[in-house]
Amino acid sequence: AQSVAQPEDQVNVAEGNPLTVKCTYSVSGNPYLFWYVQYPNRGLQFLLKYITGDNLVKGSYGFEAEFNKSQTSFHLKKPSALVSDSALYFCAVRDEGGATNKLIFGTGTLLAVQP
Amino acid sequence: GAGVSQSPSNKVTEKGKDVELRCDPISGHTALYWYRQSLGQGLEFLIYFQGNSAPDKSGLPSDRFSAERTGGSVSTLTIQRTQQEDSAVYLCASSLWGAPDTQYFGPGTRLTVL
Repeated sequence: AQSVAQPEDQVNVAEGNPLTVKCTYSVSGNPYLFWYVQYPNRGLQFLLKYITGDNLVKGSYGFEAEFNKSQTSFHLKKPSALVSDSALYFCAVRDEGGATNKLIFGTGTLLAVQP
Repeated sequence: GAGVSQSPSNKVTEKGKDVELRCDPISGHTALYWYRQSLGQGLEFLIYFQGNSAPDKSGLPSDRFSAERTGGSVSTLTIQRTQQEDSAVYLCASSLWGAPDTQYFGPGTRLTVL
């Protein structure tokens, strides 16, 4: 069965430093991978997705993610963190079973950026 | 343009009562999804509608949960005889036809069952 794992419950980084939020996946076929962000008391916002093509995917708010097939990873990165990036980040993979396009989410990583 | 909207934003109910949660998808999106976000359970899929096809109900946790989508647009998620374990944030998402398209989420309805 498809799954994603986010090994870190929380990531702390100082403002201005680069940040990485980790995600690994397990799929039987081609992975369709997504990152979403959830700000306090708000719904999920789409950041970026990998379907095919370049391994480095650029998304909203200066975020990017690198697809690594050999390591089955899809880590989210940003060169310089902002305090406003503090939020809950979810990695997700599209379920390959059946015709449903449902997403299978990781458990989330809380990013805390200190000023 | 307008995003996915959900109502109410918050709902407090007593155990045993029925509740209805509403979702208005983005105009033109044929696919609609319901997810539940609860403490300790993360985000879990509940139900999926695509056009006029039969919905995928595989994620509904019990027969107390049901959903319908009228006219291919607005959807209502109904929970009958609510239990305290139903307390969660219920998220709706929509996407254009064609996988693997991006799903856009609404702000959610926070349900509290006392």
